[in-house]
Amino acid sequence: EVVLTQSPATLSLSPGDGATLSCRASQSVSSYLAWYQQKPGQAPRLLIYDASIRAAGVPVRFTGSGSGTDFTLTIFSLEPEDFATYYCQQRSHWPPEDTFGQGTTLEIK
Amino acid sequence: QVQLQESGPGLVKPSGTLSLTCAVSGDSIASSKWWSWVRQPPGKGLEWIGEISHSGSTSYNPSLQSRVTISVDKSKNQFSLNLSSVTAADTAVYYCARADWSGYDYWGQGTLVTVSS
Repeated sequence: EVVLTQSPATLSLSPGDGATLSCRASQSVSSYLAWYQQKPGQAPRLLIYDASIRAAGVPVRFTGSGSGTDFTLTIFSLEPEDFATYYCQQRSHWPPEDTFGQGTTLEIK
Repeated sequence: QVQLQESGPGLVKPSGTLSLTCAVSGDSIASSKWWSWVRQPPGKGLEWIGEISHSGSTSYNPSLQSRVTISVDKSKNQFSLNLSSVTAADTAVYYCARADWSGYDYWGQGTLVTVSS
């Protein structure tokens, strides 16, 4: 089973700051890693897939990078609507199994 | 526009079976996607429950495998979740979602299921 560890658990920043969120896998997941944004009371929203490809409609200030076991979500110049919880997720080939990281909450400082 | 909508009881008794259905519109349940269930206990993170493919093959979270069944009804373009022998630890918002190797691109709005007598 692949375990995804996100850090930090909480990140306190101000609008206009840059944010760097980390996701580390317990074993290589190649580039099959996705990032989601979730706001209170809402379903998660796909932001990044295949580690670095922005989903449709996602602003360019969201950038994903990494491969193997270390991945990063970078948000350039935070907007007020970016304060939310972010999850990484991977899919294993065999056995077919999905796992999510425990989440990073981005809060307003 | 793909839409998913969960339905089912919001309250289940301990030791009972949780049953939810996800109605899919805008895509065929027979398409080359995985149709998945994900849950989120109050104030906690996301947990993958399992999925069913267009071919009907299923995969489940090992921690839930003995209690979970996911099935599909192609005639109604929907899929279902059954979780047996529930306890308070199964209280969560349950989401259905569409997935492929690129992740979960469409989600239902989620439904809260509480396990309580």
